[in-house]
Amino acid sequence: DVQLLESGGGLVQPGGSLRLSCAASGFTFNNYAMTWVRQAPGKGLEWVASISERSGSSIYYADSMRGRITLSRDNSKNTLFLQMTSLRGEDTATYYCGKGSSAFPRGSHFDFRGQGTLVTVSS
Amino acid sequence: EIVLTQSPGTLSLSPGERATLSCRASQIFSSAYLAWYQQKPGQSPRLLIYGASTRAADIPDRFSGSGSGTDFTLTISRLEPEDFAVYFCQQYGTSALTFGGGTKVEIK
Repeated sequence: DVQLLESGGGLVQPGGSLRLSCAASGFTFNNYAMTWVRQAPGKGLEWVASISERSGSSIYYADSMRGRITLSRDNSKNTLFLQMTSLRGEDTATYYCGKGSSAFPRGSHFDFRGQGTLVTVSS
Repeated sequence: EIVLTQSPGTLSLSPGERATLSCRASQIFSSAYLAWYQQKPGQSPRLLIYGASTRAADIPDRFSGSGSGTDFTLTISRLEPEDFAVYFCQQYGTSALTFGGGTKVEIK
């Protein structure tokens, strides 16, 4: 079974940084696109970033976070990372990672299997 | 960016009733790239439908999706107690995924 375990969230001050991780199992990680989406408390879902398979040659970022985030993957560890800097109050949300249905994000539907990791940006 | 608008915001129904949820896009796109998700409090979104009408693995056949162009529909033929939740549509035909604002299906 596909399993995704997000971690790395926590309380951070405005302007601070965090690195989120998503440990994947139950599938051949390096064959699939991956993504992060987030959900502010009581709000809807917002896409954050996506990365293509293996080499991660295609990476896409949401305008709301571009320039402040870096998405990467370590295929040897079956892990997806989201490095976030210059965090703001509006970045407070639960972050979920998802597995794509194919190698590239465009045209892939995504499966979210983890419980998410909560990021709280507050002084 | 493709903007998705879901209606109604809240649907109040009783178990056994039929639920019809709408998702309208700001521009035409291929139905091959439309998904529906269910989310319950404290849980991650669960994939129900992809390609506008294909049920994901282990999804009961009371869930069905349809539509094309700019108008898409999720239908739950007979609501079970576990179906009361929030439902989101999503398009994945562009490099930037977008979600609708969600429809809450609540017990009447």
